[in-house]
Amino acid sequence: AQTVTQSQPEMSVQEAETVTLSCTYDTSESDYYLFWYKQPPSRQMILVIRQEAYKQQNATENRFSVNFQKAAKSFSLKISDSQLGDAAMYFCAYRSVQGAQKLVFGQGTRLTINP
Amino acid sequence: GAVVSQHPSWVICKSGTSVKIECRSLDFQATTMFWYRQFPKQSLMLMATSNEGSKATYEQGVEKDKFLINHASLTLSTLTVTSAHPEDSSFYICSVEAAPLAPLHFGNGTRLTVT
Repeated sequence: AQTVTQSQPEMSVQEAETVTLSCTYDTSESDYYLFWYKQPPSRQMILVIRQEAYKQQNATENRFSVNFQKAAKSFSLKISDSQLGDAAMYFCAYRSVQGAQKLVFGQGTRLTINP
Repeated sequence: GAVVSQHPSWVICKSGTSVKIECRSLDFQATTMFWYRQFPKQSLMLMATSNEGSKATYEQGVEKDKFLINHASLTLSTLTVTSAHPEDSSFYICSVEAAPLAPLHFGNGTRLTVT
């Protein structure tokens, strides 16, 4: 079974600075999707960014970018120019393209933005 | 606007009673919906995959007789917590995919408190 590990329970960053959240995963599959979701205090799950494993190019969405290292099974999220509204729980997630296609979440990283 | 409507957003019930949570897909038909459970300060754990017109697929360790899932139409899945106990108190979230492997849309969640 696939597993997702986020080794940083909490992170903090100064407003306008850059922060990187780590994520590693374990799988024997060659094709899959990886995601970063944001969960603010409202607890609504918000998709931040998505990466297809067959794509070598790292996904970017405005201030959010990933560093996808397939061989190392690493998928970190970089947030540039951090804003107060970025404060939330961030979950890394893995989804198979075969079989049950379940979405498996990591433990989460709580990000605090210091003004 | 919201793509997925989950109702109620919060509910308090007495031990021994049953509670029904609805998840509606507003913008598209969904053959598959997913139900997650999230304990405080923890990650989302998949409970079951709800399939329209057929039985739900439950994850290991989830009691199918306690957490009844009905996916009666392409836009509605319901989760019924039967004979609720205080340990069932949690945050329950549904998610919907518009097409196979399309990004999941999440409901706003339901906070269940069993007294």
